[in-house]
Amino acid sequence: RKEVEQDPGPFNVPEGATVAFNCTYSNSASQSFFWYRQDCRKEPKLLMSVYSSGNEDGRFTAQLNRASQYISLLIRDSKLSDSATYLCVVTASGGSYIPTFGRGTSLIVHP
Amino acid sequence: GAGVSQSPSNKVTEKGKDVELRCDPISGHTALYWYRQSLGQGLEFLIYFQGNSAPDKSGLPSDRFSAERTGGSVSTLTIQRTQQEDSAVYLCASSPNSNQPQHFGDGTRLSIL
Repeated sequence: RKEVEQDPGPFNVPEGATVAFNCTYSNSASQSFFWYRQDCRKEPKLLMSVYSSGNEDGRFTAQLNRASQYISLLIRDSKLSDSATYLCVVTASGGSYIPTFGRGTSLIVHP
Repeated sequence: GAGVSQSPSNKVTEKGKDVELRCDPISGHTALYWYRQSLGQGLEFLIYFQGNSAPDKSGLPSDRFSAERTGGSVSTLTIQRTQQEDSAVYLCASSPNSNQPQHFGDGTRLSIL
């Protein structure tokens, strides 16, 4: 089982739609969680951190489910500019603290 | 403020040559990471520096790859005797510590002819 798994998609949604992605992780000692977005041929950029109680930033909501070992990202009122690949990142406590990136979920928002 | 700076932006070289890639992290960031990303693929971890600790080299794909970080700041990634499969975008990231989010440079696009 891969350490961090994401559905590669693509998720193809119309403007204004609500879309959600999940990311599962295998290490129960994981303690830091982030969502990044990566545009084509660009570097990853931090979208938001994921906190235990869940957090929201505008149209974006991130949640953590420790019992089932997954994090989620919900995007409301999708915009064309949301089209990108969304990467989840998980860092475990102990060990070498190397963040593990998922392969990413591709989102395409169409008019 | 200044972000993570990488140079060169693009590098084209012949197979068998050595290349050196540079990363200048955000000032004060103790953690520095190198990744590479082939077209359409995910990020592949290469090496991690944290402060003055010994680097974690577990991701380096072969002994042709090496990296150093001088004075806890600038890092260089060296690839000796380059092969065509080394062609990729090499990304550097830094963070205040290992539990904080990483900030990425624009990457170096390496093409081996």
